[in-house]
Amino acid sequence: EPEVTQTPSHQVTQMGQEVILRCVPISNHLYFYWYRQILGQKVEFLVSFYNNEISEKSEIFDDQFSVERPDGSNFTLKIRSTKLEDSAMYFCASSLGHEQFFGPGTRLTVL
Amino acid sequence: AQRVTQPEKLLSVFKGAPVELKCNYSYSGSPELFWYVQYSRQRLQLLLRHISRESIKGFTADLNKGETSFHLKKPFAQEEDSAMYYCALRTSGTYKYIFGTGTRLKVLA
Repeated sequence: EPEVTQTPSHQVTQMGQEVILRCVPISNHLYFYWYRQILGQKVEFLVSFYNNEISEKSEIFDDQFSVERPDGSNFTLKIRSTKLEDSAMYFCASSLGHEQFFGPGTRLTVL
Repeated sequence: AQRVTQPEKLLSVFKGAPVELKCNYSYSGSPELFWYVQYSRQRLQLLLRHISRESIKGFTADLNKGETSFHLKKPFAQEEDSAMYYCALRTSGTYKYIFGTGTRLKVLA
């Protein structure tokens, strides 16, 4: 059964550094998402992506964040200058319609 | 604002006992509700969605628009049901999910 994959599983970075989190969605899916979960808190929507553009974003998704689908298979989330409060689990998801399929997550630790 | 509330952080029940995980939502339009489950060290996976009205692994959930609730129920809990359960809302005109804070279910032997 096809699955969403994410790399790396754990990323440690220094405050102010750029990070790129990678996701490979399920191949025939059309909609792509990023969510994050700060430890002990709820899963929060960041951004959705369809037809090579952002379709929706939350107030969390500010100018420090960007998404890209560079080659038709990968879907990336870039954080330009990480802050301590960006430490969280980041989940990628993809869908054809209503049901979203989630990746295993990348744990980002900002020191 | 749209919101999903799961009032219990932790629910412990004995094996064979009934389980009810509560979910209430706040949304004035026509909602789509989902239950996702996350077993230890595994990814979030869909358990139920209200539009399909099916029973998965013995779990059911009914959307009650009057009470704005979508509680998850199972008549006889099993140890393998121990997991985090998240209720999620999708509103009209959007594909994003709004999640509740989750309930950890522990089924004791």
